[in-house]
Amino acid sequence: AQSVSQHNHHVILSEAASLELGCNYSYGGTVNLFWYVQYPGQHLQLLLKYFSGDPLVKGIKGFEAEFIKSKFSFNLRKPSVQWSDTAEYFCAVNAPFSGGYNKLIFGAGTRLAVHP
Amino acid sequence: NAGVTQTPKFRILKIGQSMTLQCAQDMNHNYMYWYRQDPGMGLKLIYYSVGAGITDKGEVPNGYNVSRSTTEDFPLRLELAAPSQTSVYFCASSYSEREGETQYFGPGTRLLVL
Repeated sequence: AQSVSQHNHHVILSEAASLELGCNYSYGGTVNLFWYVQYPGQHLQLLLKYFSGDPLVKGIKGFEAEFIKSKFSFNLRKPSVQWSDTAEYFCAVNAPFSGGYNKLIFGAGTRLAVHP
Repeated sequence: NAGVTQTPKFRILKIGQSMTLQCAQDMNHNYMYWYRQDPGMGLKLIYYSVGAGITDKGEVPNGYNVSRSTTEDFPLRLELAAPSQTSVYFCASSYSEREGETQYFGPGTRLLVL
């Protein structure tokens, strides 16, 4: 079965520190990959996505992610975090499901806390 | 556009009670989804719909029912609430399920079953 693993459940950083959140998936076919973010008290929103082309994807708020097919990875990075980046981050892969439709499979999430 | 809206925001149920979680979207999206989010578990798909009148089970459908009479609305029904259904429920929608299609999420409904 397809799955998504996020290596860190909780990350604590100081402002201006660099961030890298790990994400590995198990599906062997063509994949579409997503990072969603959930700020405190808010709904999930798309941070960035990869579905073809350049494996280095740039998203909103200075985030980027690199798709490495050989490693089944899609790690999220930001060179310098801000207090406002405090949120929960979810990696997801779009994979085939029953009935011929695709569905999103989510990782367990990583809670990021950024201290001023 | 309001996007995806959900009501209520929070609800407490007693074991055995029933309730309907409401979800609506105004983006004319064909696809709609219900997820539950449990701590440390990510989001799990409960049910999904590919258009009005068409629904299908996701990964964790037991204890839930859905209907899709219009493109805009996708209510989730809990018939006999159980403590295991304590969770945060998210509704989402997308135009299609093609490659790279983004899902848009509602604000969530926090449900506590006691």
